[in-house]
Amino acid sequence: KAGVTQTPRYLIKTRGQQVTLSCSPISGHRSVSWYQQTPGQGLQFLFEYFSETQRNKGNFPGRFSGRQFSNSRSEMNVSTLELGDSALYLCASSLAAGGEETQYFGPGTRLLVL
Amino acid sequence: KQEVTQIPAALSVPEGENLVLNCSFTDSAIYNLQWFRQDPGKGLTSLLLIQSSQREQTSGRLNASLDKSSGRSTLYIAASQPGDSATYLCAVGGYGGSQGNLIFGKGTKLSVKP
Repeated sequence: KAGVTQTPRYLIKTRGQQVTLSCSPISGHRSVSWYQQTPGQGLQFLFEYFSETQRNKGNFPGRFSGRQFSNSRSEMNVSTLELGDSALYLCASSLAAGGEETQYFGPGTRLLVL
Repeated sequence: KQEVTQIPAALSVPEGENLVLNCSFTDSAIYNLQWFRQDPGKGLTSLLLIQSSQREQTSGRLNASLDKSSGRSTLYIAASQPGDSATYLCAVGGYGGSQGNLIFGKGTKLSVKP
């Protein structure tokens, strides 16, 4: 069974640009969560989607948005990029929503904002 | 607000040693606790999931325990090997809301010397 895949793996953008990251969950998983990981803040929750609906959202500005498609694939978008958005963005999938099941993480997308 | 703390932040041991990593959390009303491993620049690999009703889980040389009442979990690694070198993260699950379904500690960076 294929694991969680994320594309692209690496990305370099400049301030003010926007970016879209993609996550394909494990087949059969309907919950996808996104996290931002930085050396200073560690792993911080961005949002969770389940069956195309956003269930939870972390304390990030509105520049961060996401969506989930009917095949459970998810995208997150960051508009008007800032230097502080440089981070490893991880997505995780699980069978059920609410953190009750094991969450499986993808390899991440490393974003560098110049 | 749930807070997760991992001590120590870094640990260096000689190969073959048994070791214990510690994780503490402030709110005992958790659904589960999950231990992850992260290799440099990579995503997270799930090691063990302990449900709130369980006291411990074992997988190979790994044993994780959970004491909800005291807000503590430990990850025991037996007969450590250089390949165990990585950052180990614990996360409490099932919270939801703006904190997200998984709330992570900052991790313990383990180095096993040959």
